[in-house]
Amino acid sequence: ELKVEQNPLFLSMQEGKNYTIYCNYSTTSDRLYWYRQDPGKSLESLFVLLSNGAVKQEGRLMASLDTKARLSTLHITAAVHDLSATYFCAVATSGTYKYIFGTGTRLKVLA
Amino acid sequence: NAGVTQTPKFRILKIGQSMTLQCTQDMNHNYMYWYRQDPGMGLKLIYYSVGAGITDKGEVPNGYNVSRSTTEDFPLRLELAAPSQTSVYFCASSYLDRGPNQPQHFGDGTRLSIL
Repeated sequence: ELKVEQNPLFLSMQEGKNYTIYCNYSTTSDRLYWYRQDPGKSLESLFVLLSNGAVKQEGRLMASLDTKARLSTLHITAAVHDLSATYFCAVATSGTYKYIFGTGTRLKVLA
Repeated sequence: NAGVTQTPKFRILKIGQSMTLQCTQDMNHNYMYWYRQDPGMGLKLIYYSVGAGITDKGEVPNGYNVSRSTTEDFPLRLELAAPSQTSVYFCASSYLDRGPNQPQHFGDGTRLSIL
């Protein structure tokens, strides 16, 4: 059974600082997704990672995938208040379309 | 395009009542999903469908039923509502025949309370 874990669960950081969110999963997967959710809102797609070593960047966020370690990271560079949200990774076991979400990381960026 | 539309947005049910959460997408997506999100938690997959007439169970299917008679619609049925089903329900869709690089598109959610 596929399990997806994120850490940390909560992250409070100052503006301008860097930090990394981790997403570990338990079985072989050929795709991993990152989503953002603002309080009381729906989910918005950030990144799709499909191969080992894949790296995607958008603004102050950079996501990477290591399929051998079954690990994805979401790196935040020089955080700003607008990045405050909950971030989820989602994984599907290879050959399936049954997506399992991580527990989420609630990020709060302090001015 | 409206994307993924969920109705109703809010609903209060009494224990034992039944209801159907509606989900419609206008993007001609073949894959559709139902998730629930409990307060402060991640999303749990309830059911999903890979096309009209085909559905499969997710992580937490007990107490729910689905059907997929058309590409556009994927309703979720709650039978005999219980307080444990109080949650926010999200419907999502994607078009995976174009390759796995297509993320899911989510509706705005239905906030359901069972008292």
